[in-house]
Amino acid sequence: SAVISQKPSRDICQRGTSLTIQCQVDSQVTMMFWYRQQPGQSLTLIATANQGSEATYESGFVIDKFPISRPNLTFSTLTVSNLSPEDSSIYLCSVEDVKNYGYTFGSGTRLTVV
Amino acid sequence: GNSVTQMEGPVTLSEEAFLTINCTYTATGYPSLFWYVQYPGEGLQLLLKATKADDKGSNKGFEATYRKETTSFHLEKGSVQVSDSAVYFCAPCSNYKLTFGKGTLLTVNP
Repeated sequence: SAVISQKPSRDICQRGTSLTIQCQVDSQVTMMFWYRQQPGQSLTLIATANQGSEATYESGFVIDKFPISRPNLTFSTLTVSNLSPEDSSIYLCSVEDVKNYGYTFGSGTRLTVV
Repeated sequence: GNSVTQMEGPVTLSEEAFLTINCTYTATGYPSLFWYVQYPGEGLQLLLKATKADDKGSNKGFEATYRKETTSFHLEKGSVQVSDSAVYFCAPCSNYKLTFGKGTLLTVNP
């Protein structure tokens, strides 16, 4: 299955600033997914990113707050903008594992907003 | 969209005990069903899956059967080990989108 490198693994940011999270995959993939896991909660899909088109956002998530780039088939970034303490969460990227019919996840980025 | 109800934890068992973690879901159509596991300090890993009714997914001694009539995908293991201590997530998938349950923390004591 694909191997995902996600950076940074954690960060502490001031409110009002932004954090960009990078996700690098060791093989070409069509779709990449971004999830959020709030403290004590489950994972929630933020958006789906396809190369060459705009990301598709789930209900409750907007591009202005969570802009996504997908410049090629192995890389994507998620930016969390205008940070507030409520954005403190773990953010994960994921790709489809076509060979094993499942989904592989990055190790996550733990964001704390102070 | 899909939704999932997963047995709340935490669950604490002794080694070699029998494990069941219940999972029921609502979905339009026939989703694929997954169990993911997160070991302490590690990322999310696929544990097992089933793609159609009556399929049984299995891995590392864990099993789950896709029950369409009851819309359930309960996770079972006959004899748990200390190394099984982790958080387990049930996740139906439709249109490439996973919907995760809240997770069940399992602690196995020696």
